[in-house]
Amino acid sequence: QQQVKQSPQSLIVQKGGIPIINCAYENTAFDYFPWYQQFPGKGPALLIAIRPDVSEKKEGRFTISFNKSAKQFSLHIMDSQPGDSATYFCAASLDSNYQLIWGAGTKLIIKP
Amino acid sequence: DGGITQSPKYLFRKEGQNVTLSCEQNLNHDAMYWYRQDPGQGLRLIYYSQIVNDFQKGDIAEGYSVSREKKESFPLTVTSAQKNPTAFYLCASSSRTEQFFGPGTRLTVL
Repeated sequence: QQQVKQSPQSLIVQKGGIPIINCAYENTAFDYFPWYQQFPGKGPALLIAIRPDVSEKKEGRFTISFNKSAKQFSLHIMDSQPGDSATYFCAASLDSNYQLIWGAGTKLIIKP
Repeated sequence: DGGITQSPKYLFRKEGQNVTLSCEQNLNHDAMYWYRQDPGQGLRLIYYSQIVNDFQKGDIAEGYSVSREKKESFPLTVTSAQKNPTAFYLCASSSRTEQFFGPGTRLTVL
């Protein structure tokens, strides 16, 4: 019940394409769903986050879509660029608990 | 500048040695965390602390120890009991849900 399942494990997209990374969770009590971006040799950094009271959130070229009934959320990157090549992690948590439950990560490569 | 610092950036350890990784934050966050990341893998929680002088084991605490004597500091000791310690170690802190990460320490056992 505490797991967050992330797919795909890796993804290669041409520049300008729209990579989509998916995550699924079981615990309906989760109320915070962030995405983190990690470049090689660096620590992850928060990219965008959503709470279950909205179905979509956009920040620049990054969009989270959230489907509460399906217990799924996804990250879309519009007009992808080679600089977006990184590993992306989804996570989930309870607002009352400081811990994040992490997905396994997706290695994204954007080809020029 | 507010943030999290980790030192050293690279650390080499001989078999049988204990080593301590430093983590300091000036974000005034209550909670701090240590994660281990292996090549191509996700983040695995080693220890976390929500308040000074208190900490809890994460999923892979065996062979590691921590202390939290000050709010700003959460050092991690990798003991000789940790049989495969070569990995990238990340420290993080949070006030509520958003976790802020340090730059990491890459530990290699020689």
